[in-house]
Amino acid sequence: NAGVMQNPRHLVRRRGQEARLRCSPMKGHSHVYWYRQLPEEGLKFMVYLQKENIIDESGMPKERFSAEFPKEGPSILRIQQVVRGDSAAYFCASSPSGSDLYEQYFGPGTRLTVT
Amino acid sequence: AQSVAQPEDQVNVAEGNPLTVKCTYSVSGNPYLFWYVQYPNRGLQFLLKYITGDNLVKGSYGFEAEFNKSQTSFHLKKPSALVSDSALYFCAVRDFSGGGADGLTFGKGTHLIIQP
Repeated sequence: NAGVMQNPRHLVRRRGQEARLRCSPMKGHSHVYWYRQLPEEGLKFMVYLQKENIIDESGMPKERFSAEFPKEGPSILRIQQVVRGDSAAYFCASSPSGSDLYEQYFGPGTRLTVT
Repeated sequence: AQSVAQPEDQVNVAEGNPLTVKCTYSVSGNPYLFWYVQYPNRGLQFLLKYITGDNLVKGSYGFEAEFNKSQTSFHLKKPSALVSDSALYFCAVRDFSGGGADGLTFGKGTHLIIQP
């Protein structure tokens, strides 16, 4: 059973470009979470999605950031007009249920560098 | 709002000695508590969790953690450290009363260094 997959693993963008990060949850998991990790910091929750629904986006910046989890295909975290401060590792996690009883399984992350 | 504190940026332990990585939390309701480990350039790996029941929780790789409600702590422990335990450890909490965000709230992490 493949784990959570994220691609690309490394992404370099110039300021003002768009970044698209993809996450395929574990088989059988329908809940996806996105986190951002800045250097020497813990992970910060960004958004929680189920298929075709955003459940909680309280951690998402108000501008330039969006996320989706379509009925078919991976979840996408999209950052428009990237700035240097967006440079970070972005982790996706999945769980089989939104119930707090289940731990979240993390992908290897996408390291975004904005030049 | 929920929060997690890991008071030590780094913990150094000699191989074979017991280790403790500290974690305290703050939630408005009852907590779900987790420990994760991160190796360089890798994602987080789940170690153990406390949901309810026995305060002493056993997890992967010989790790265990003790939930202490009065001290709002959830310290990670291992009786005998291995060099391969060297990594970055994160404590996380979720307030299952539903008052917080749906994601986990993480501490800043503790670098555990096991010296041969």
